Formats: sequence, C-alpha cells, structure tokens
Amino acid sequence: DTAVSQTPKYLVTQMGNDKSIKCEQNLGHDTMYWYKQDSKKFLKIMFSYNNKELIINETVPNRFSPKSPDKAHLNLHINSLELGDSAVYFCASSQNRGQGEQYFGPGTRLTVT
Amino acid sequence: GENVEQHPSTLSVQEGDSAVIKCTYSDSASNYFPWYKQELGKRPQLIIDIRSNVGEKKDQRIAVTLNKTAKHFSLHITETQPEDSAVYFCASPYIQGAQKLVFGQGTRLTINP
Repeated sequence: DTAVSQTPKYLVTQMGNDKSIKCEQNLGHDTMYWYKQDSKKFLKIMFSYNNKELIINETVPNRFSPKSPDKAHLNLHINSLELGDSAVYFCASSQNRGQGEQYFGPGTRLTVT
Repeated sequence: GENVEQHPSTLSVQEGDSAVIKCTYSDSASNYFPWYKQELGKRPQLIIDIRSNVGEKKDQRIAVTLNKTAKHFSLHITETQPEDSAVYFCASPYIQGAQKLVFGQGTRLTINP
C-alpha cells in the first residue's frame, strides 16, 4: 500500500513544452505539498494545499500551476519548461500543517533539454 | 525570519564512530524539530523529531537535543553503520502566516568501512 504516490517517476522533455506531474495520497491527510529539490539537494517548498485550498504559494514563476481536485490529489502543471526547471519534484502530505510528520512521494526527476 | 542553518554540509566518519549534525533556527515561535534521512535516489523520511517541551529524545542509536535559548538542535548518531550513509535534513516550522516546514541545507554523511 503506497502512502503517497507520484507519476511519472522520470520525465525528459524539451524546452518550451508543457508537462504535468500527478500526486495522490491515501493517508486521509488534509494538507499536501509540492517541493523542489535541486542538484545541490536543497529542499524548497513551492506550494501547499489544505483541504483543496491553496495556503502557501512561494515565489514560484506563474508557469507553475498546482491543482487540487480533492484533498487526496495534488497535481502540478508546468508551462513553457526551461532548463532551470530540471530538478526532482516531491509531493508530500501531512495531517498537521508544519507540525507533524510529512510523508513524501517517491519524487519525479524532471530533465529539460 | 524563516532561516534554518545546517552544518556541516558534508561529514565523513569511520564506521563505529559517532556523527553529529547541528542546526540553528531563527523563528523563536518554532516548537517542532524533525530530522529527515534521504538515501540516494529515495524520498526523504522522518527518522526522529522533538517538540519544544523536552530537551532530548533518543531512539536506539539516534538522538536529538534541543537548546531553545540558543535556538539550535542537533542530531547524534552513535555506533555508525554503512547504512547510515545518506543526506540528513533538519527542519523547523515557520509559524508566521500559513505554517510551513523550512528545511536546512542538508548534510551528506558518509560512513567509511
């Protein structure tokens, strides 16, 4: 039973393309997140949703648009991909915002060529 | 502020020796301090956490200590084993506005046989 799952695991695409990453959690958590991990391993929050409502939107280019159709799903759509978007993107979920364990998905390695 | 400073960035120890990683946080309202372990190519996973009402917590070979006055907390791993090799992240919640977990920069720990 996978707690937090993401698809795809790998994504290789060319500059200028549009792509989406999907995330689902079966833990019944209220809060979901998208993190970006760059080549130096820094883990930086991008977005957070609580019960389908956007509560955190860090200084992320508006080419990135999250969508939460229900509290178990949080998808990330990226328009006009750039070389600098290459990174590993992790979805995560937690029951308590910022105060309890965050469960991470397996990550999506995005490579933009 | 929302900074979490983590040191060292890399740490190499002999198998069987101890390893210590330190973090400093800036939000004096923070009250939850988790540590995550990320093995190569895997997702970050919580290994231990501490709340601000205690000064130390142990779980077998790992322990976390907290000094709220100085605003720093540390991860201690004793009797290190090869499987302890990984990147370790400290984190602290930034309480202002929508709560979020702010991660340190990560420490790459290598255990030499």
